[in-house]
Amino acid sequence: GAGVSQTPSNKVTEKGKYVELRCDPISGHTALYWYRQSLGQGPEFLIYFQGTGAADDSGLPNDRFFAVRPEGSVSTLKIQRTERGDSAVYLCASSLRREDEQFFGPGTRLTVL
Amino acid sequence: GDSVTQMEGPVTLSEEAFLTINCTYTATGYPSLFWYVQYPGEGLQLLLKATKADDKGSNKGFEATYRKETTSFHLEKGSVQVSDSAVYFCALSDMYTNAGKSTFGDGTTLTVKP
Repeated sequence: GAGVSQTPSNKVTEKGKYVELRCDPISGHTALYWYRQSLGQGPEFLIYFQGTGAADDSGLPNDRFFAVRPEGSVSTLKIQRTERGDSAVYLCASSLRREDEQFFGPGTRLTVL
Repeated sequence: GDSVTQMEGPVTLSEEAFLTINCTYTATGYPSLFWYVQYPGEGLQLLLKATKADDKGSNKGFEATYRKETTSFHLEKGSVQVSDSAVYFCALSDMYTNAGKSTFGDGTTLTVKP
């Protein structure tokens, strides 16, 4: 079956621009997570959705970052006024329920010039 | 807060050598522990997990035992293959205090030479 997919796979933007990153979780998975992975580091938690609601957004670094999951399936991570420090691989993961194994997507590599 | 510390890499071994990658953790609750693997050009995959003290997770010849007394979850394999070359991440997740979000170590790059 289809795994978690993320689009685009690569995104290059200029400092100050707005970007949207999309995640399509495995069908039927109620829990969805966003992580950020900088070069040479492990993934760092950003936000967790249970259904349509953000159950935990404690990892979002500042108010330039926002994520939505309006129908409880696809999620979009939105970054306003991008900065060079936002450059990283953004990973999405989903699980059937909160306590189940998380399946990761291939990530979106964001480069802010 | 929760944290995971992995041995620094990179690690280079010859085929059929014994592998150990150390992992220690700090957590306030009773976390589940995981090893993830990331093969070149691919996404993170769960390799094995253990959900309580003294549990042993195993998969593809890899093993790790949840040691609460030493707060460790070291990854081992008796005989590595070239195909095991990848980045390995140790992680923890506490379903009851952190809603399932995972905390990862920084990863250890393993290269196995024929």
